[in-house]
Amino acid sequence: GAVVSQHPSRVICKSGTSVKIECRSLDFQATTMFWYRQFPKQSLMLMATSNEGSKATYEQGVEKDKFLINHASLTLSTLTVTSAHPEDSSFYICSARDVGPPEKLFFGSGTQLSVL
Amino acid sequence: EDKVVQSPLSLVVHEGDTVTLNCSYEVTNFRSLLWYKQEKKAPTFLFMLTSSGIEKKSGRLSSILDKKELSSILNITATQTGDSAIYLCAVEALNYGGSQGNLIFGKGTKLSVKP
Repeated sequence: GAVVSQHPSRVICKSGTSVKIECRSLDFQATTMFWYRQFPKQSLMLMATSNEGSKATYEQGVEKDKFLINHASLTLSTLTVTSAHPEDSSFYICSARDVGPPEKLFFGSGTQLSVL
Repeated sequence: EDKVVQSPLSLVVHEGDTVTLNCSYEVTNFRSLLWYKQEKKAPTFLFMLTSSGIEKKSGRLSSILDKKELSSILNITATQTGDSAIYLCAVEALNYGGSQGNLIFGKGTKLSVKP
């Protein structure tokens, strides 16, 4: 089946540094990728939708200058948390899909970000 | 504002029990409703429902959509400890003028199955 690779799986960084998270579709071309955030014991919250070759669409309340998304190719999207602060500590998950219905949506394994 | 509400938020049962998880939604431009199972980290897809009254079944799991009531249920019969997970309901709503939909997730139901 289709696989989405996300890394790193865990990152610990100091406050003020930037962290890049990669999301790759391994055996299909993902025209659309989604980035979610999940706090403990809470559900997935969509942060932004990225389409290959165009600017990402951010959900209300998500700072686009803080969470930079680049979808430079059909198999790779990156999320950069700039100048991370402790309140950015969270679990970030990406998902990717080819053209087609949403059951063809595949999730990465997630990245646990801890900002000290 | 579009929203998806799941109930109960948590549930503890014993092996062999049957459980019913609920999902209700209020969205404009409804396209489909999806159920996911989240164990360790990444959610895995269970069902996608688009039409009312048609039950989807996979082993001990089944789900049905009621578009009149704007709700769906997920049933698990003869539960096993391996069914312990968070079950997420998500609704796909069409963007204005777009063909790709966003998924709006409910808070999930945490199911714990005791031996």
